[in-house]
Amino acid sequence: DQQVKQNSPSLSVQEGRISILNCDYTNSMFDYFLWYKKYPAEGPTFLISISSIKDKNEDGRFTVFLNKSAKHLSLHIVPSQPGDSAVYFCAASASTGNQFYFGTGTSLTVIP
Amino acid sequence: DSGVTQTPKHLITATGQRVTLRCSPRSGDLSVYWYQQSLDQGLQFLIQYYNGEERAKGNILERFSAQQFPDLHSELNLSSLELGDSALYFCASSVGNLAGEQFFGPGTRLTVL
Repeated sequence: DQQVKQNSPSLSVQEGRISILNCDYTNSMFDYFLWYKKYPAEGPTFLISISSIKDKNEDGRFTVFLNKSAKHLSLHIVPSQPGDSAVYFCAASASTGNQFYFGTGTSLTVIP
Repeated sequence: DSGVTQTPKHLITATGQRVTLRCSPRSGDLSVYWYQQSLDQGLQFLIQYYNGEERAKGNILERFSAQQFPDLHSELNLSSLELGDSALYFCASSVGNLAGEQFFGPGTRLTVL
C-alpha cells in the first residue's frame, strides 16, 4: 500500500514560471516530510524539509507547504530554471520511526 | 558529491546467481539505509542498520540480506536472483538512528538476465 503518493508522473513548465509539485499521504502519524531531487545517473539529493508544527518552509526559490488536514504537501519552485529539470520525490516519516516512505516521483521539465 | 560511495556502479548477472552490493557511508554517519527503485516505482525502503545493528526492516525479501561492519560500511546480499530483481539499489546514510535527512549514494544498477 503506497502511503505517499505523487499522482503526477510528469510536469512541464516554462522557464521563469512557477512549478508546483504535489504529494499526498495517508498515514496521520507522519509528521516530518522531505523533498529530494534526482538527476539521471545520480542518487537523490536533499532539497527541503518541513515538520508538522509548521505549514510552510522556504529556502531560496523553493517553498514547501503542508496542509495537515488534507494530508497534502506541495513544493513550489519560483522562478523555475532549466537546471531544475529533474525527478522530485517527496518522502514522509513519523518522528519516532526509522524509515521514510517515498512517493513515485514527478519528473519536472523546465523549458527554456 | 554526497560523500556516500557505492560499488559497483553496474552489475549484470544471470537468474539464480548471488551478488553483493557495497556501501560506504559519509564520514561520521552511523546509520545506513538500503533502498530499491524498480522501473517507474518510488524508492522502496529495504533495511536500516545503525552502528552495526539492524534497526528497521521494510519490504526486504527473504532472499536478500544485509549487514553493517565495524568500520560502518554495509553490504547488501541478493541471492537466487530473479528477473524482477533488476533495479537501482541505493544506499543512504545519516548521522542518527531516527529518520532524518539522508544522504544518498549514486546507486548500483543491477540487471538480471
